[in-house]
Amino acid sequence: GENVEQHPSTLSVQEGDSAVIKCTYSDSASNYFPWYKQELGKRPQLIIDIRSNVGEKKDQRIAVTLNKTAKHFSLHITETQPEDSAVYFCAASDMNTGFQKLVFGTGTRLLVSP
Amino acid sequence: GAVVSQHPSWVICKSGTSVKIECRSLDFQATTMFWYRQFPKQSLMLMATSNEGSKATYEQGVEKDKFLINHASLTLSTLTVTSAHPEDSSFYICSAGSPDQPQHFGDGTRLSIL
Repeated sequence: GENVEQHPSTLSVQEGDSAVIKCTYSDSASNYFPWYKQELGKRPQLIIDIRSNVGEKKDQRIAVTLNKTAKHFSLHITETQPEDSAVYFCAASDMNTGFQKLVFGTGTRLLVSP
Repeated sequence: GAVVSQHPSWVICKSGTSVKIECRSLDFQATTMFWYRQFPKQSLMLMATSNEGSKATYEQGVEKDKFLINHASLTLSTLTVTSAHPEDSSFYICSAGSPDQPQHFGDGTRLSIL
């Protein structure tokens, strides 16, 4: 089955710096890669996603890149703000199964200091 | 974005009690609902996948007789933790998806068994 690894487990940056979180997956059949942000005690919220037919996607300060050959995908946050502090999870799924079963990474705790 | 409602948000009960958690997709028909468990500072662990009108598919190591899942309609799935014990204390989160919708999560239910 699919295995998703995520690094780093914690990331501390200064406000205004960029943050990069990296994930690798094992199943070449995976074709959908969402990123979720989870604040303490709250639901995971989808912040961006990418499908395997695209190499990069951007939404304001957030971007995701995908390297299918290497089975890597990364989340990039530019101009970080204190409100970006949260736990971020990557996930992978094979949409062709029709069930959207997500396999999550272990999470990255991002701390943005003012 | 899509709205998934989960109820209750917090449950405290005695050991041996059964607890039912509801998950509703409010503005789309969810062909598939997922139930996750999240322990403190850990990732989301998929417990089971639920399709409307059929039996749930449980992940390895999850006891189907202890965690009863019912998905009677395209908008409602329930998880019943039967004869709950302190080790069942956790954060339970549902999500809902369809071929046209990425997974959206409920607010979660914090279950504390005394």
